[in-house]
Amino acid sequence: GAGVSQSPSNKVTEKGKDVELRCDPISGHTALYWYRQRLGQGLEFLIYFQGNSAPDKSGLPSDRFSAERTGESVSTLTIQRTQQEDSAVYLCASAWGNTEAFFGQGTRLTVV
Amino acid sequence: GQQLNQSPQSMFIQEGEDVSMNCTSSSIFNTWLWYKQEPGEGPVLLIALYKAGELTSNGRLTAQFGITRKDSFLNISASIPSDVGIYFCAGRVSQFYFGTGTSLTVIP
Repeated sequence: GAGVSQSPSNKVTEKGKDVELRCDPISGHTALYWYRQRLGQGLEFLIYFQGNSAPDKSGLPSDRFSAERTGESVSTLTIQRTQQEDSAVYLCASAWGNTEAFFGQGTRLTVV
Repeated sequence: GQQLNQSPQSMFIQEGEDVSMNCTSSSIFNTWLWYKQEPGEGPVLLIALYKAGELTSNGRLTAQFGITRKDSFLNISASIPSDVGIYFCAGRVSQFYFGTGTSLTVIP
């Protein structure tokens, strides 16, 4: 596709359930970022993938959070045993080399 | 991850006024970007800067890459109601780091 695609756009889940969020980056983009944005807040860095290098996981808030990316393709962010404080918009962005990062529309996660 | 210091945190201005916001860091960056986020949307790129001292315009928007490579500013001239949103700066060395955002409200 022409842009970064995220799915689902909205997700409501029960506390304690696992969720998986998907990001399809722009084709050819080697870098992929995940951010969390709580209501009315800024962008909270979660994880960064660059090509086949080891990802920078320094932003993951707990071991309930994990993300995978195979090569330069799709990435999935998994949240296990969801808590109400996990409710937020999860944004994905991709970039190529030293050029601009482009964002998807985000997945709005609501934990009830 | 590292965050950039972005100010002001919020602005309430009258339509037609000019707006100025800036971003500073203790680290040197090779690239500075400015994004705008509207409610329910992902951030959209406004301006990209690649060289220290570079001044770039996009319509009513003007942004500069600071000469020290540690700061950048964004100006919006003659604001209009559709300028409302949250503006984020981003600096890049090996990866992107984002500012905390400036929330802009334009009063008609």
